[in-house]
Amino acid sequence: NAGVTQTPKFQVLKTGQSMTLQCAQDMNHNSMYWYRQDPGMGLRLIYYSASEGTTDKGEVPNGYNVSRLNKREFSLRLESAAPSQTSVYFCATTSLSIMNTEAFFGQGTRLTVV
Amino acid sequence: KNEVEQSPQNLTAQEGEFITINCSYSVGISALHWLQQHPGGGIVSLFMLSSGKKKHGRLIATINIQEKHSSLHITASHPRDSAVYICAVADNNDMRFGAGTRLTVKP
Repeated sequence: NAGVTQTPKFQVLKTGQSMTLQCAQDMNHNSMYWYRQDPGMGLRLIYYSASEGTTDKGEVPNGYNVSRLNKREFSLRLESAAPSQTSVYFCATTSLSIMNTEAFFGQGTRLTVV
Repeated sequence: KNEVEQSPQNLTAQEGEFITINCSYSVGISALHWLQQHPGGGIVSLFMLSSGKKKHGRLIATINIQEKHSSLHITASHPRDSAVYICAVADNNDMRFGAGTRLTVKP
């Protein structure tokens, strides 16, 4: 039972390159989230998906796109990476909603854009 | 001003000490989460509460909705408790996070 799995764990990109961060959960949860964590700041929501087939913007969506491929998978895409996107990215899931159920997090993806 | 403020930012304690980490928030919430982030980076949920008090082993979390304040207590602290503790408030399918409290427990 892996829980929430993120890939890759580490990545270095050059400015302008694209990449997709993958998140998969085997907990049969409905809601999935992408956050970024920057030094001295709390995690900030990039996008979330309340259910398969739906996605919504969070606090900091610019420069990112997401895809809720199926109930298990929620991917985050950087089309043209910028140094400001250097961060640690976390995927999280909840069975229903972050408002009333426990959240489960992946191990994080450390991304550096040079 | 951040919507979720934690104090202290850093805390060093001796093994066995009683620890208190505070969280104040300025927005309406449906629930408050306490999370633990270990040096390896992974984040684990400790508590989710919307009123009163919860206890898991040596950890106790309380919340006062009227005062918009929550506390996380660790009794008989141990070096393995060393981590960053994060408070997050939830509403409208979003969580707003505090910057975290870095706890170091020395043997």
